Amino acid sequence: DAGVTQSPTHLIKTRGQQVTLRCSPKSGHDTVSWYQQALGQGPQFIFQYYEEEERQRGNFPDRFSGHQFPNYSSELNVNALLLGDSALYLCASSLPGSSGNTIYFGEGSWLTVV
Amino acid sequence: KNQVEQSPQSLIILEGKNCTLQCNYTVSPFSNLRWYKQDTGRGPVSLTIMTFSENTKSNGRYTATLDADTKQSSLHITASQLSDSASYICVVREAGGGADGLTFGKGTHLIIQP
Repeated sequence: DAGVTQSPTHLIKTRGQQVTLRCSPKSGHDTVSWYQQALGQGPQFIFQYYEEEERQRGNFPDRFSGHQFPNYSSELNVNALLLGDSALYLCASSLPGSSGNTIYFGEGSWLTVV
Repeated sequence: KNQVEQSPQSLIILEGKNCTLQCNYTVSPFSNLRWYKQDTGRGPVSLTIMTFSENTKSNGRYTATLDADTKQSSLHITASQLSDSASYICVVREAGGGADGLTFGKGTHLIIQP
């Protein structure tokens, strides 16, 4: 049973460019959340997708957008990259419903903006 | 504002020794508390989930405690191994908080020395 998979694992972009990160949730999970984790910090919630719609959003600018596909996989897009966007981007999946459900994280995508 | 504070920020112990990590939170209303282990450059992996009624929960050599009255939790690691070297993140869910109802601590960076 594959867990949460993310791609690419590492990438380097130039300031002003755009980036797309991809995520496949754990088998059977239909809810996908994205987090940004800067070095030495805890993850910060970006947004969550369920049934192909953005269900909730954290305190991130509109440069951060996403999409969920019918197979529950998801993309995170960041436009007009800034140096401060350099971070580990984590995708997490879970089952809907109980707030006690385990949240499974992928290995993350390391984004470096130069 | 909901906050999760972890201490110490970093800790170095010898292999085979025990250690205890602390987590204090102000999240209210409380739903559950989670401990995650995050190896460097990897995604977090769930260790335990504790609800209001649970005081102690074990996962192998990891034992988490929760005092919901004082809003404190601890993670005790017994007979540490080199593979325990990682960051340990405390996460508290706000009841009814939805997708962004998780508040993450900054983690305790644990180093096990041979």
